[in-house]
Amino acid sequence: SQTIHQWPATLVQPVGSPLSLECTVEGTSNPNLYWYRQAAGRGLQLLFYSVGIGQISSEVPQNLSASRPQDRQFILSSKKLLLSDSGFYLCAWRGTGGIPMNTEAFFGQGTRLTVV
Amino acid sequence: QKEVEQDPGPLSVPEGAIVSLNCTYSNSAFQYFMWYRQYSRKGPELLMYTYSSGNKEDGRFTAQVDKSSKYISLFIRDSQPSDSATYLCAMSLRRGAQKLVFGQGTRLTINP
Repeated sequence: SQTIHQWPATLVQPVGSPLSLECTVEGTSNPNLYWYRQAAGRGLQLLFYSVGIGQISSEVPQNLSASRPQDRQFILSSKKLLLSDSGFYLCAWRGTGGIPMNTEAFFGQGTRLTVV
Repeated sequence: QKEVEQDPGPLSVPEGAIVSLNCTYSNSAFQYFMWYRQYSRKGPELLMYTYSSGNKEDGRFTAQVDKSSKYISLFIRDSQPSDSATYLCAMSLRRGAQKLVFGQGTRLTINP
């Protein structure tokens, strides 16, 4: 079965510090991978998605970047965090096979980032 | 105008009530429709998905899609306190499309 791991679960970082959040998927190959951010009481904002190694699409201009060094690894980074980067970050994957694999997204448990 | 609109609530109902959660959307090309449930401080989990118009039932949950009105609904029968969560609708243009567009989420509380 497929599983998705995301860590850390909670992170408190000072303004101006770097960020690295990691997400890995097991049990599937060539998944589509996503980073979402969820502000308090708000929906999911798509930040980045990737359809393959080294292929990153950015949805909104921001202080963040993403990389996909391996097929099932997706990393969210920042060189200098801002207060506005605080939020709940979610990694997700979607399959690229037949129903239901490439219909719905499966989410990790999220990282709650607080920038202080 | 947002692509997907969802009343954020909060919605509070007594245990046993029928709950109706709704989303409207503007892009008539959306074909796949999903409902996710998210417990506090957890990632969303898929509850139901439907393709095109029609109804789909799974236990106490019924998902309904009306493409002519660009309106989708999730009904919860015999609601339980364990149903208390945020419910997010999501939709995509086609199978395998890269993007899922989410609604804002409705926070639901079922009171014992």
